[in-house]
Amino acid sequence: QQQVKQSPQSLIVQKGGISIINCAYENTAFDYFPWYQQFPGKGPALLIAIRPDVSEKKEGRFTISFNKSAKQFSLHIMDSQPGDSATYFCAASTNKFYFGSGTKLNVKP
Amino acid sequence: KAGVTQTPRYLIKTRGQQVTLSCSPISGHRSVSWYQQTPGQGLQFLFEYFSETQRNKGNFPGRFSGRQFSNSRSEMNVSTLELGDSALYLCASSLDVAGANEQFFGPGTRLTVL
Repeated sequence: QQQVKQSPQSLIVQKGGISIINCAYENTAFDYFPWYQQFPGKGPALLIAIRPDVSEKKEGRFTISFNKSAKQFSLHIMDSQPGDSATYFCAASTNKFYFGSGTKLNVKP
Repeated sequence: KAGVTQTPRYLIKTRGQQVTLSCSPISGHRSVSWYQQTPGQGLQFLFEYFSETQRNKGNFPGRFSGRQFSNSRSEMNVSTLELGDSALYLCASSLDVAGANEQFFGPGTRLTVL
């Protein structure tokens, strides 16, 4: 079964807007939650990651919000730019990684 | 520090052939994981090697195998290729065992099976 459920599948945002991608998990043993950004023809690149002992982590325009009780975490991209257009994957891990199905983000100029 | 490198970047094979893909992890990283990425199935875990031993394995048939050398470089082999094996094969390295540490991906090998 799918260990990490990601939504939406695709997202269109205007330049300067906020992009929000959500992920949910079931396994409470997961202890590391990274987000990856992938451009066409490239491998995924680690964007930002969080551990379950904090509820939020911010790096520049990227923020992870983590809700341990709801078993959900989300990526917020503030002031979205056309250069942010890419596919984003959430993941969760314990002794191995489980990836969400990906969200294709298109930021319109 | 150089990133994860994968060779070759592109490969075209025919059904029934076998293929070997190579991955060189970031210097000092001891764990190498392999993933298959397809539009329909997303990123699927194949296996992880740590200190030359297979530590974890995904749900792929025995046609998919791998190994890791003493310098942490890893190879993945697929025998008796099928059309459905066409995918982007990604390698990721971690300083220590995957799952507890950051994983860094290579650019992938695009395999096309005709």
